[in-house]
Amino acid sequence: QQQLQESGPGLLKPSETLSLTCTVSGGSMSSYTYYWGWVRQPPGKGLEWIGSIYYSGSTHYNPSLKSRVTMSVDTSKNQFSLRLTSVTAADTAVYYCARDGSGSFRGWFAPWGQGTLVTVSS
Amino acid sequence: QSALTQPASVSGSPGQSITISCTGTSNDIGDYNYVSWYLQHPGKAPKLIIYDVSARPSGVSNRFSGSKSGNTASLTISGLQAEDEADYYCCSYASGSTLVFGGGTKLTVL
Repeated sequence: QQQLQESGPGLLKPSETLSLTCTVSGGSMSSYTYYWGWVRQPPGKGLEWIGSIYYSGSTHYNPSLKSRVTMSVDTSKNQFSLRLTSVTAADTAVYYCARDGSGSFRGWFAPWGQGTLVTVSS
Repeated sequence: QSALTQPASVSGSPGQSITISCTGTSNDIGDYNYVSWYLQHPGKAPKLIIYDVSARPSGVSNRFSGSKSGNTASLTISGLQAEDEADYYCCSYASGSTLVFGGGTKLTVL
């Protein structure tokens, strides 16, 4: 059973770039034709889809974040990554990585990582 | 792309059934059978409980069921248990190859 773990800095200053990595264990990413996604949750608020990336590298992004988001995948390292530029306090959230278990882009995420809190503050 | 609309809160007594609605548009729920539901306990990652409108992942209780009519999807929980108290989120595929979540519903078991 695959497990996911997010990693990256927990504190950023406004205008900096957020970079997170999700490491997948329990099976090679290249062995499965899955999408992999990022979802965030501001403190006390709901879930927001950020984007999803196919194992081959094709991407789908949330239109509201598209200008600032880049996702990449490195199947040799069993990792995929999120880059969000020009962060503000509004980007403070718990960031989750997850696998889209459908095998296509249908938005049913399982499993999820445990989440990592990223705080943007001067 | 607007968030799907869910009631902020619902409540029920143990053993009862409750239904949580999730309203979208013809650009998401109304046009695609790709609605999923998640439950989230405080401080934990979300857990998938329904996908493709009404399918249940292996290991999820059959007390959880999903349906869809027009632009509205629904999650029904029967035989409420104390452990069902959590936040629930719907999610739908949307036109333009995007995904959109609902605002979330807090379920209180009285």
